[in-house]
Amino acid sequence: DAGVIQSPRHEVTEMGQEVTLRCKPISGHDYLFWYRQTMMRGLELLIYFNNNVPIDDSGMPEDRFSAKMPNASFSTLKIQPSEPRDSAVYFCASSQLGEKLFFGSGTQLSVL
Amino acid sequence: GDSVTQMEGPVTLSEEAFLTINCTYTATGYPSLFWYVQYPGEGLQLLLKATKADDKGSNKGFEATYRKETTSFHLEKGSVQVSDSAVYFCALSDHWGGGKLIFGQGTELSVKP
Repeated sequence: DAGVIQSPRHEVTEMGQEVTLRCKPISGHDYLFWYRQTMMRGLELLIYFNNNVPIDDSGMPEDRFSAKMPNASFSTLKIQPSEPRDSAVYFCASSQLGEKLFFGSGTQLSVL
Repeated sequence: GDSVTQMEGPVTLSEEAFLTINCTYTATGYPSLFWYVQYPGEGLQLLLKATKADDKGSNKGFEATYRKETTSFHLEKGSVQVSDSAVYFCALSDHWGGGKLIFGQGTELSVKP
């Protein structure tokens, strides 16, 4: 199994631009999570899905952030417009039946 | 709300030293508890877990016991190796177990030869 695949690994963009992060969960997993990691705030859960349906998006910072899961094998996290304070590592994770989480390698986002 | 507090790092040890990383939690229910490890440039990996009071999770020489009376889940290893250098995260699930995780701030461990 290839594990959770995230793309891109690194993204550098300018303030105001749209950013789209992508995630392919492990096949057969029915939960998908988006986390953000910063030095100041640690690991924060942004949103999670169960069977492609968003369950809890209370961690999404503001309306500039949106996430979709159009099918069981793909999810996106979009930031529009991006701001320097969005700079962080964004992790996607998946699990089966709410058990052990498998994390992707993350996307390092830098907004200049 | 539920929360996890870990000892601050970085923790620097010599090879073969004994390791303890403290973790305490606050939860209204009966959460499952986890330790995850993050190696440089990688995502987090589950190290061990415990789902109820007095359970001991163990893996790769690491151990942690779920102590309900002290609301703690301290990570221990008897003899650390250079390859154990990483960031360690304590976490709890406020749901059925392993779902929506709440993480501590992480503790960086550096093991010197």
